[in-house]
Amino acid sequence: NAGVTQTPKFRILKIGQSMTLQCTQDMNHNYMYWYRQDPGMGLKLIYYSVGAGITDKGEVPNGYNVSRSTTEDFPLRLELAAPSQTSVYFCASSYSGAGDEQFFGPGTRLTVL
Amino acid sequence: GENVEQHPSTLSVQEGDSAVIKCTYSDSASNYFPWYKQELGKRPQLIIDIRSNVGEKKDQRIAVTLNKTAKHFSLHITETQPEDSAVYFCAAAGGLNSGYSTLTFGKGTMLLVSP
Repeated sequence: NAGVTQTPKFRILKIGQSMTLQCTQDMNHNYMYWYRQDPGMGLKLIYYSVGAGITDKGEVPNGYNVSRSTTEDFPLRLELAAPSQTSVYFCASSYSGAGDEQFFGPGTRLTVL
Repeated sequence: GENVEQHPSTLSVQEGDSAVIKCTYSDSASNYFPWYKQELGKRPQLIIDIRSNVGEKKDQRIAVTLNKTAKHFSLHITETQPEDSAVYFCAAAGGLNSGYSTLTFGKGTMLLVSP
């Protein structure tokens, strides 16, 4: 049982490039989340999903897109990367929503230059 | 939407002392309040949580208290040890604005326990 896994661990992008951050969970969780963590700013929700085929915006969705075609996978797409997207990105999952423990992946450290 | 304020932003204590971190929330409908610990370079992990029908919960050296009327909750760590050094995040969930699906996190408290 690997829990929540994320790839890549580190990535450097040039301004204007695009990339997809991968997230997979093997706990059969319905809910999945993407957060970004900037220094001293806590965790901010980008997008979340309550099940396959259903996604919704969080607090800071601009510049990102998501899809949820399977229960296991929840990729985050960055289009036209900007320096403001330099951050650590965490994926998380839970079984039954916000009132349940969220399990986090190891994170992806992204730098946009 | 929900707003969670967390204080202090940094806290330094001597080993064996107690540490208290406080959070306030804005949405009176929120009903779930977890605390996460994040060690340097690691992922956040749940250490304790409390629901709105409970005023206090304890797990060994850590405890959480909730005051629904004042809309604030606190994390208490007793007999601190160097391995308690980390960033601690409070969060609130279950409010009407989130559709009961999402957590709102505080900005975190960096706890440093000196030997």
